[in-house]
Amino acid sequence: AQSVTQLGSHVSVSEGALVLLRCNYSSSVPPYLFWYVQYPNQGLQLLLKYTTGATLVKGINGFEAEFKKSETSFHLTKPSAHMSDAAEYFCAVTKAAGNKLTFGGGTRVLVKP
Amino acid sequence: GAGVSQSPSNKVTEKGKDVELRCDPISGHTALYWYRQSLGQGLEFLIYFQGNSAPDKSGLPSDRFSAERTGGSVSTLTIQRTQQEDSAVYLCASSLSELEAFFGQGTRLTVV
Repeated sequence: AQSVTQLGSHVSVSEGALVLLRCNYSSSVPPYLFWYVQYPNQGLQLLLKYTTGATLVKGINGFEAEFKKSETSFHLTKPSAHMSDAAEYFCAVTKAAGNKLTFGGGTRVLVKP
Repeated sequence: GAGVSQSPSNKVTEKGKDVELRCDPISGHTALYWYRQSLGQGLEFLIYFQGNSAPDKSGLPSDRFSAERTGGSVSTLTIQRTQQEDSAVYLCASSLSELEAFFGQGTRLTVV
């Protein structure tokens, strides 16, 4: 069975500071990994995904994530937080195309001016 | 519209009543997923459709929950004899590549 752990249900950062959201997964097979963002009262929007190839993945809105197999991690970063980054972020894993996504518990990001 | 559309956006129902939630996927998307988002359980998978068939319905929590998809397009999630623990946001997603799922805004269900 797959599982995803997001360390920290809430993260507070200052505008302009580094955003770091941690995600660790367990999977019996090489996984496909995703980060989604959810703004209030909206659905989930894909930020970025890792399937194969380059382990550093760049996404929308200046976010990037690095797949580290040895650490079973897929942490999400953004060098400089913006007020518009305030949202909830979900890490997810699936083992194959067409399979269900297994989500972490989510991390709510608060950006302080 | 260009995105996944769900209706209604909000639904309040009395305990014991049946409810139907609708999902209109992006045109041409063959895969369709239902998820449930609740405070206690986070985001949970319910059911996956490929075309009109459901190869994975392992996430349906009880036999009160059922879903169908017709014409390879619209899907309906039905909850019979609703209970208070069914209160949640029900999210639908569709996919063409099966690796990138596009989510609707969800239906917020409140059982009173």
